[in-house]
Amino acid sequence: NAGVTQTPKFQVLKTGQSMTLQCAQDMNHEYMSWYRQDPGMGLRLIHYSVGAGITDQGEVPNGYNVSRSTTEDFPLRLLSAAPSQTSVYFCASLTGDTIYFGEGSWLTVV
Amino acid sequence: SQQGEEDPQALSIQEGENATMNCSYKTSINNLQWYRQNSGRGLVHLILIRSNEREKHSGRLRVTLDTSKKSSSLLITASRAADTASYFCATDGNTGKLIFGQGTTLQVKP
Repeated sequence: NAGVTQTPKFQVLKTGQSMTLQCAQDMNHEYMSWYRQDPGMGLRLIHYSVGAGITDQGEVPNGYNVSRSTTEDFPLRLLSAAPSQTSVYFCASLTGDTIYFGEGSWLTVV
Repeated sequence: SQQGEEDPQALSIQEGENATMNCSYKTSINNLQWYRQNSGRGLVHLILIRSNEREKHSGRLRVTLDTSKKSSSLLITASRAADTASYFCATDGNTGKLIFGQGTTLQVKP
Protein backbone atom coordinates (compact mmCIF):
# COMPACT_ATOMS: atom_id res chain seq x y z
CA ASN A 1 0.00 0.00 0.00
CA ALA A 2 1.89 3.04 -1.28
CA GLY A 3 -0.76 5.64 -0.43
CA VAL A 4 -0.70 8.71 -2.68
CA THR A 5 2.19 8.85 -5.13
CA GLN A 6 3.15 11.95 -7.06
CA THR A 7 5.64 12.33 -9.87
CA PRO A 8 7.87 14.08 -10.65
CA LYS A 9 9.14 15.42 -7.35
CA PHE A 10 11.04 18.28 -8.97
CA GLN A 11 10.58 19.92 -12.36
CA VAL A 12 11.84 23.05 -14.08
CA LEU A 13 9.83 24.33 -17.01
CA LYS A 14 10.26 27.16 -19.44
CA THR A 15 7.43 29.65 -19.84
CA GLY A 16 4.94 28.34 -22.36
CA GLN A 17 5.83 24.68 -21.99
CA SER A 18 3.21 22.16 -20.99
CA MET A 19 3.55 19.25 -18.63
CA THR A 20 1.57 16.78 -16.59
CA LEU A 21 1.94 16.08 -12.89
CA GLN A 22 1.00 12.52 -12.17
CA CYS A 23 -0.91 11.36 -9.12
CA ALA A 24 -1.91 7.83 -8.23
CA GLN A 25 -3.49 6.28 -5.16
CA ASP A 26 -3.93 2.63 -4.32
CA MET A 27 -6.51 3.01 -1.58
CA ASN A 28 -9.58 2.95 -3.87
CA HIS A 29 -10.62 6.40 -2.73
CA GLU A 30 -13.32 8.11 -4.73
CA TYR A 31 -12.31 11.67 -3.89
CA MET A 32 -9.07 13.15 -5.15
CA SER A 33 -7.80 16.72 -5.20
CA TRP A 34 -4.93 18.90 -6.35
CA TYR A 35 -3.62 21.78 -4.27
CA ARG A 36 -0.87 24.29 -4.71
CA GLN A 37 1.12 25.80 -1.87
CA ASP A 38 2.99 29.05 -2.28
CA PRO A 39 5.69 30.23 0.16
CA GLY A 40 4.26 31.08 3.57
CA MET A 41 0.78 30.12 2.47
CA GLY A 42 -1.66 27.37 3.11
CA LEU A 43 -2.89 25.08 0.39
CA ARG A 44 -5.27 26.32 -2.26
CA LEU A 45 -7.53 23.94 -4.10
CA ILE A 46 -7.01 23.76 -7.87
CA HIS A 47 -9.32 20.96 -9.01
CA TYR A 48 -11.01 18.02 -7.41
CA SER A 49 -12.84 14.87 -8.38
CA VAL A 50 -15.55 12.94 -6.58
CA GLY A 51 -15.13 9.85 -8.73
CA ALA A 52 -14.03 8.48 -12.07
CA GLY A 53 -15.33 10.62 -14.90
CA ILE A 54 -16.21 13.57 -12.64
CA THR A 55 -14.09 16.65 -12.05
CA ASP A 56 -14.77 20.13 -10.77
CA GLN A 57 -12.95 23.39 -10.20
CA GLY A 58 -11.53 24.60 -6.92
CA GLU A 59 -10.34 28.05 -5.86
CA VAL A 60 -7.57 28.54 -8.44
CA PRO A 61 -8.31 26.42 -11.54
CA ASN A 62 -7.08 28.77 -14.28
CA GLY A 63 -4.18 27.41 -16.29
CA TYR A 64 -4.75 23.81 -15.19
CA ASN A 65 -6.70 20.87 -16.56
CA VAL A 66 -7.53 17.57 -14.93
CA SER A 67 -9.12 14.29 -15.93
CA ARG A 68 -10.21 11.24 -13.98
CA SER A 69 -10.44 8.25 -16.29
CA THR A 70 -9.79 5.76 -13.49
CA THR A 71 -10.29 5.74 -9.73
CA GLU A 72 -6.55 5.41 -9.19
CA ASP A 73 -5.19 8.26 -11.31
CA PHE A 74 -5.76 12.02 -11.26
CA PRO A 75 -3.23 13.84 -13.46
CA LEU A 76 -2.86 17.63 -13.42
CA ARG A 77 -1.93 19.30 -16.69
CA LEU A 78 -0.33 22.70 -17.05
CA LEU A 79 -1.35 23.88 -20.49
CA SER A 80 1.13 26.74 -20.99
CA ALA A 81 3.34 27.22 -17.96
CA ALA A 82 3.73 30.70 -16.49
CA PRO A 83 6.10 31.93 -13.76
CA SER A 84 3.05 32.47 -11.53
CA GLN A 85 2.62 28.70 -11.50
CA THR A 86 5.90 28.22 -9.69
CA SER A 87 4.75 26.43 -6.59
CA VAL A 88 4.61 23.18 -4.70
CA TYR A 89 1.78 20.95 -5.83
CA PHE A 90 0.11 18.39 -3.61
CA CYS A 91 -2.23 15.65 -4.67
CA ALA A 92 -4.60 14.21 -2.09
CA SER A 93 -7.21 11.51 -1.78
CA LEU A 94 -9.99 11.34 0.73
CA THR A 95 -11.91 8.68 2.54
CA GLY A 96 -14.52 9.58 5.10
CA ASP A 97 -13.12 12.59 6.91
CA THR A 98 -9.44 11.79 6.45
CA ILE A 99 -7.39 13.19 3.61
CA TYR A 100 -4.10 11.67 2.55
CA PHE A 101 -1.48 13.80 0.84
CA GLY A 102 1.29 12.94 -1.53
CA GLU A 103 4.80 14.18 -0.80
CA GLY A 104 4.54 17.11 -3.20
CA SER A 105 5.92 18.16 -6.57
CA TRP A 106 8.18 21.22 -6.66
CA LEU A 107 7.65 23.08 -9.92
CA THR A 108 9.68 26.06 -11.10
CA VAL A 109 8.71 27.97 -14.23
CA VAL A 110 11.46 30.18 -15.62
CA SER B 1 -10.06 33.23 -0.41
CA GLN B 2 -8.84 31.37 2.62
CA GLN B 3 -11.53 29.90 4.84
CA GLY B 4 -9.34 29.48 7.87
CA GLU B 5 -6.94 31.97 9.31
CA GLU B 6 -4.37 30.89 11.86
CA ASP B 7 -3.01 33.01 14.64
CA PRO B 8 -0.20 33.59 15.40
CA GLN B 9 1.62 33.27 12.10
CA ALA B 10 4.78 32.27 13.94
CA LEU B 11 5.44 30.94 17.43
CA SER B 12 8.73 30.21 19.16
CA ILE B 13 8.85 28.40 22.50
CA GLN B 14 11.20 26.36 24.66
CA GLU B 15 11.02 22.62 24.84
CA GLY B 16 8.60 21.54 27.54
CA GLU B 17 6.34 24.56 27.19
CA ASN B 18 2.84 24.41 25.79
CA ALA B 19 2.05 25.78 22.33
CA THR B 20 -1.35 27.20 21.45
CA MET B 21 -2.43 28.20 17.99
CA ASN B 22 -5.79 29.46 16.88
CA CYS B 23 -7.87 29.18 13.76
CA SER B 24 -10.82 31.29 12.68
CA TYR B 25 -13.12 30.50 9.80
CA LYS B 26 -15.90 32.25 7.97
CA THR B 27 -18.72 29.89 7.06
CA SER B 28 -20.61 26.99 8.61
CA ILE B 29 -18.64 23.79 8.72
CA ASN B 30 -19.21 20.07 9.13
CA ASN B 31 -15.83 19.51 10.66
CA LEU B 32 -12.48 21.16 11.23
CA GLN B 33 -9.15 19.44 10.91
CA TRP B 34 -5.61 20.21 11.94
CA TYR B 35 -2.60 19.21 9.88
CA ARG B 36 1.11 19.34 10.41
CA GLN B 37 3.73 19.96 7.74
CA ASN B 38 7.41 19.43 8.26
CA SER B 39 9.70 21.53 6.10
CA GLY B 40 9.78 20.22 2.54
CA ARG B 41 7.22 17.51 3.17
CA GLY B 42 3.54 16.87 2.63
CA LEU B 43 0.82 17.46 5.17
CA VAL B 44 -0.01 14.93 7.83
CA HIS B 45 -3.45 14.70 9.40
CA LEU B 46 -3.41 15.30 13.15
CA ILE B 47 -6.94 15.48 14.42
CA LEU B 48 -10.51 16.12 13.30
CA ILE B 49 -13.25 17.71 15.36
CA ARG B 50 -16.86 17.67 14.22
CA SER B 51 -19.16 20.67 14.41
CA ASN B 52 -21.15 19.08 17.26
CA GLU B 53 -18.02 18.48 19.35
CA ARG B 54 -16.41 21.06 21.62
CA GLU B 55 -13.16 19.41 22.61
CA LYS B 56 -11.06 16.50 21.48
CA HIS B 57 -7.80 14.97 22.65
CA SER B 58 -5.16 12.91 20.93
CA GLY B 59 -1.98 12.24 22.88
CA ARG B 60 -0.38 15.62 23.60
CA LEU B 61 -2.84 17.40 21.32
CA ARG B 62 -5.99 19.11 22.51
CA VAL B 63 -8.37 20.75 20.06
CA THR B 64 -11.31 22.93 20.94
CA LEU B 65 -14.05 24.20 18.68
CA ASP B 66 -16.39 27.12 19.28
CA THR B 67 -18.89 27.23 16.44
CA SER B 68 -20.54 30.37 17.82
CA LYS B 69 -17.25 32.24 17.42
CA LYS B 70 -16.23 30.25 14.35
CA SER B 71 -12.90 29.45 15.91
CA SER B 72 -10.74 26.52 16.96
CA SER B 73 -7.57 26.14 18.94
CA LEU B 74 -4.83 23.54 18.91
CA LEU B 75 -2.84 23.02 22.09
CA ILE B 76 0.35 20.99 22.07
CA THR B 77 1.41 20.17 25.60
CA ALA B 78 4.96 19.51 26.78
CA SER B 79 6.38 20.45 23.39
CA ARG B 80 9.43 18.75 21.92
CA ALA B 81 11.97 19.91 19.37
CA ALA B 82 10.44 17.37 17.00
CA ASP B 83 7.16 19.33 17.11
CA THR B 84 8.85 22.08 15.08
CA ALA B 85 6.69 22.35 11.95
CA SER B 86 3.93 24.36 10.35
CA TYR B 87 0.39 23.67 11.52
CA PHE B 88 -2.66 24.26 9.39
CA CYS B 89 -6.36 24.18 10.10
CA ALA B 90 -8.73 23.11 7.36
CA THR B 91 -12.48 23.01 7.10
CA ASP B 92 -14.86 20.55 5.48
CA GLY B 93 -13.51 17.46 3.80
CA ASN B 94 -16.72 15.73 2.76
CA THR B 95 -16.30 16.61 -0.91
CA GLY B 96 -12.55 16.88 -1.11
CA LYS B 97 -12.89 20.65 -1.04
CA LEU B 98 -10.75 21.04 2.03
CA ILE B 99 -10.01 24.72 2.53
CA PHE B 100 -6.81 25.55 4.40
CA GLY B 101 -5.62 28.47 6.44
CA GLN B 102 -2.21 30.04 5.99
CA GLY B 103 -0.68 28.16 8.88
CA THR B 104 1.25 28.77 12.07
CA THR B 105 4.97 28.09 12.03
CA LEU B 106 6.05 26.61 15.34
CA GLN B 107 9.65 26.50 16.45
CA VAL B 108 10.47 24.53 19.58
CA LYS B 109 13.93 25.30 20.89
CA PRO B 110 15.78 22.51 22.67
